Amino acid sequence: TQLLEQSPQFLSIQEGENLTVYCNSSSVFSSLQWYRQEPGEGPVLLVTVVTGGEVKKLKRLTFQFGDARKDSSLHITAAQPGDTGLYLCAGARAGGTSYGKLTFGQGTILTVHP
Amino acid sequence: DAGITQSPRYKITETGRQVTLMCHQTWSHSYMFWYRQDLGHGLRLIYYSAAADITDKGEVPDGYVVSRSKTENFPLTLESATRSQTSVYFCASASDTGQPQHFGDGTRLSIL
Repeated sequence: TQLLEQSPQFLSIQEGENLTVYCNSSSVFSSLQWYRQEPGEGPVLLVTVVTGGEVKKLKRLTFQFGDARKDSSLHITAAQPGDTGLYLCAGARAGGTSYGKLTFGQGTILTVHP
Repeated sequence: DAGITQSPRYKITETGRQVTLMCHQTWSHSYMFWYRQDLGHGLRLIYYSAAADITDKGEVPDGYVVSRSKTENFPLTLESATRSQTSVYFCASASDTGQPQHFGDGTRLSIL
């Protein structure tokens, strides 16, 4: 059972356009992380959101954690070809046997055309 | 340089063979993880370890064996490889809180 539904799976846009990637779950997470992965490399952490309703900005990227800590979004403003890559959300459960473990979404493959 | 390294980067083997993927980290991180990445499934946790000599199953452990005799190493063994285990395997490590996780560059494993 996939606990984190990420959408869309594929996104192909032109340079300068805006886009949003969604990550939804019926489960509550203690924190949610967004990673970016380039071909031939491992995922690299972009941001961690912890508090319900939290918004974090990283240059043209805006990350939001839902009030109930069940969902998150990544918004990119004025996308550039350098933003091309695989974006992954990952949720962390709190405590017990889940400590330290992450549940990943399926990923969104973003292609930004010049 | 400090970091997390996986070896080999690429491996081709035949069904039924045993193959071991290596992972080494220089941060002295407590946690280490093994994932497999397949299109449409994101990253799925195979096994993880909270400390040396402590390992536990993840989401898809069948057909895999791990050990962690030293903090810095976390090898993953496929005892009798099957075609369904063709995948890209990622190792990750994390400090005492378990997050954030730092990933290696992966091993692309093909089983013929």
